[in-house]
Amino acid sequence: AQKITQTQPGMFVQEKEAVTLDCTYDTSDQSYGLFWYKQPSSGEMIFLIYQGSYDEQNATEGRYSLNFQKARKSANLVISASQLGDSAMYFCAMRDSNDMRFGAGTRLTVKP
Amino acid sequence: DVKVTQSSRYLVKRTGEKVFLECVQDMDHENMFWYRQDPGLGLRLIYFSYDVKMKEKGDIPEGYSVSREKKERFSLILESASTNQTSMYLCASGAIAGDAGELFFGEGSRLTVL
Repeated sequence: AQKITQTQPGMFVQEKEAVTLDCTYDTSDQSYGLFWYKQPSSGEMIFLIYQGSYDEQNATEGRYSLNFQKARKSANLVISASQLGDSAMYFCAMRDSNDMRFGAGTRLTVKP
Repeated sequence: DVKVTQSSRYLVKRTGEKVFLECVQDMDHENMFWYRQDPGLGLRLIYFSYDVKMKEKGDIPEGYSVSREKKERFSLILESASTNQTSMYLCASGAIAGDAGELFFGEGSRLTVL
């Protein structure tokens, strides 16, 4: 069975600095996808970024990038130039075939 | 604009009651999911469905059942609610794109069982 691990329950970052949120995963499948979602205090789940297991380049979406290290089975999210609006819960997820499973999440707080 | 709609944002039920949580999507997605979200545990998969009348157990199916009679609708049923089922329930849908498709989520249903 899949397992997604986020070891940082909470993180703090100063506004305008970069922050890395850790995610490791475990799967025996060769083909899988890795995702990051943001959940602000309003509760909605916002899709941020996707990385396919066969993608050779790290995914980037604006200020978000995914540091994918396949051999280490890690898929860390990097947020550059943090903004106050980045304060939220962040979930790492993995999808293989049809289902998708999530980690426990990291609560990021951006300090002014 | 894509939409996943959950019928109730807040419910309060008594122990032993039967509870229905409804979810409807308008994106013609094949896959639909039910998760529960608890602090410190993230989102845990209860059940998912990859086609009408098809269902697969997730990681925590005990105490729950599901129904998918139409492609756009996926229902979560608590046959006899218990206090440990007090939680936030999230429905999601996704296209049948193997490992590449992101999920779209509803706003959630916060269930309190007294």
